[in-house]
Amino acid sequence: DIVLTQSPALAVSLGQRATISCRASESVRSSMHWYQQKSGQQPKLLIYGASNLASGVPARFSGSGSGTDFTFTIDPVEADDIATYYCQQSRNDPTFGAGTKLELK
Amino acid sequence: QVTLKESGPGMLQPSKTLSLTCSFSGFSLSTSGMVVSWIRQPSGKSLEWLAAIDWDGDKYYNPSLKSRLTVSKDTSNTQVFLKITSVDIADTATYYCARRRDYYDGTYYYGYVMDAWGQGASVTVSS
Repeated sequence: DIVLTQSPALAVSLGQRATISCRASESVRSSMHWYQQKSGQQPKLLIYGASNLASGVPARFSGSGSGTDFTFTIDPVEADDIATYYCQQSRNDPTFGAGTKLELK
Repeated sequence: QVTLKESGPGMLQPSKTLSLTCSFSGFSLSTSGMVVSWIRQPSGKSLEWLAAIDWDGDKYYNPSLKSRLTVSKDTSNTQVFLKITSVDIADTATYYCARRRDYYDGTYYYGYVMDAWGQGASVTVSS
């Protein structure tokens, strides 16, 4: 299995930039994707292929990276963005990171 | 509009077989390239991919759980099923079905994602 490592939590102020990292245990090329999950809801796709915005997703969400190191950014953070964010790779059988909980300062 | 909805027993006893149904609309599993996946999430924890079935009836399983999983679909291609045998407390989770989508722009393959999810079915294993 490809293991994805994310930091567990990030505290940000509204209007600031939030940056979440995801490191893969081996190269996944650009097959890294990002989801948002709000409390009590199903995950929602935000970014596919490391840097491509899914349909209907606001442009303040972005992603970058390739190989083993990836970054997901929200700029600026809005109150509605408070959620847990997961990375997922599809280089092999899909695996997810442990999730990064975005909190307000 | 693509929608998926999971249904299950809610609660079952250890050692029993868990049967889940995913009913969907807005797409057909008979269309070439379509895949439906099952993913679960224990409360407060991350997501774990379990299994998938494609339009051609090919089945894919998480190797760590393969011996206990069976995924299937109905002949009308509007429902997908998952069975998990010999459940125990560790199988307590919310179970999601999701449509898989491959992204390819003609020159580069970006991989596949779960682009539409059901609301999830909560399953508790308890004696």
